[in-house]
Amino acid sequence: AQRVTQPEKLLSVFKGAPVELKCNYSYSGSPELFWYVQYSRQRLQLLLRHISRESIKGFTADLNKGETSFHLKKPFAQEEDSAMYYCALMGKTSYDKVIFGPGTSLSVIP
Amino acid sequence: EAGVTQFPSHSVIEKGQTVTLRCDPISGHDNLYWYRRVMGKEIKFLLHFVKESKQDESGMPNNRFLAERTGGTYSTLKVQPAELEDSGVYFCASSQYGANVLTFGAGSRLTVL
Repeated sequence: AQRVTQPEKLLSVFKGAPVELKCNYSYSGSPELFWYVQYSRQRLQLLLRHISRESIKGFTADLNKGETSFHLKKPFAQEEDSAMYYCALMGKTSYDKVIFGPGTSLSVIP
Repeated sequence: EAGVTQFPSHSVIEKGQTVTLRCDPISGHDNLYWYRRVMGKEIKFLLHFVKESKQDESGMPNNRFLAERTGGTYSTLKVQPAELEDSGVYFCASSQYGANVLTFGAGSRLTVL
């Protein structure tokens, strides 16, 4: 069965500190993984996807198939990074649904 | 281009009443999804349309929920009769076929009293 887990409901870090938001998944096959973010009073939006292998707003995420993880990392947290972060998974075809993890609320303390 | 539009932004109804939520996806997006955020946090999948067809409705909680997508354009989600546990924020999202990236609407907040 498809499942996405995010063990931390709430994560607080100081400005300038490194941040890592954990995500693990279960899927029988090779899914596509995403991180979506919702800033205060904004819509849920894509942050990054594993196939792009790019850094967005200083965030990176590496897909580890052996550990079935897709952790989100940033070396130096900024106050504007405070938001709700959701890890998401989609099967290989465009007909597959996207399922979301429970989300992690990141708070960056000035 | 216009984004994903949802109406109403907030609806307050009493238990037993009916509510219909509407979603207008981005023009040309074949995929349309409905999600519900429960307990203010988790985003739960409800169903997925490909054009006018229901591709996956495994997340629909019960037969009080009915979703339609007329002519493969806008979609409606009707809750009848509403129960207290139906309260939450209902999100709609759309994507182009093969794009795999969802564009979300602002959500419709439903409060059942």
